[in-house]
Amino acid sequence: NAGVMQNPRHLVRRRGQEARLRCSPVKGHSHVYWYRQLPEEGLKFMVYLQKENIIDESGMPKERFSAEFPKEGPSILRIQQVVRGDSAAYFCASLESTTDTQYFGPGTRLTVL
Amino acid sequence: AQSVSQHNHHVILSEAASLELGCNYSYGGTVNLFWYVQYPGQHLQLLLKYFSGDPLVKGIKGFEAEFIKSKFSFNLRKPSVQWSDTAEYFCAVNADSGTYKYIFGTGTRLKVLA
Repeated sequence: NAGVMQNPRHLVRRRGQEARLRCSPVKGHSHVYWYRQLPEEGLKFMVYLQKENIIDESGMPKERFSAEFPKEGPSILRIQQVVRGDSAAYFCASLESTTDTQYFGPGTRLTVL
Repeated sequence: AQSVSQHNHHVILSEAASLELGCNYSYGGTVNLFWYVQYPGQHLQLLLKYFSGDPLVKGIKGFEAEFIKSKFSFNLRKPSVQWSDTAEYFCAVNADSGTYKYIFGTGTRLKVLA
């Protein structure tokens, strides 16, 4: 699962700025999940994407958060006008469809000052 | 709604002790079950998974888990832990009904004393 890449690994933003988190899945995988992990909590599902399609975004906050997975390039999780409560680790997972197994990236730790 | 409970948040064991981490889920239908491990400073890795068949599943590094449908449980076990097993362990459930959501437990931090 070393094939799942996330960048940046650490991101610091001031309140009101935008945060862009990138995820490149394992080569050949066309499904991506995004999760958020707050301190002392488990991973919370945010969104599930297929290339050029959002399959399930029921875990995404209604405002300021968006995600995309274009035909070419990485999946992007975008947080507009960040607030301190957005500080967390954001993990991307790439789905191997044939085995229904997720492979996780190293995460992006977002700190909002 | 589905949920996953991991009752032990922190566990401390000495090397060679036996390990059992609890995982219970709430969902009445068919489920797929997973255990992931996160070593310090690393990303989550799959330890083992259960989809169907033999309810006793063997994974990597000597871990195993048993699916007990009547108890809605999928406990993780290892007969003899090592210092290198120090990590955080997450149980996860996916309802086998076309939903794409994976529900994770809050994790159990295991510390193994040398």
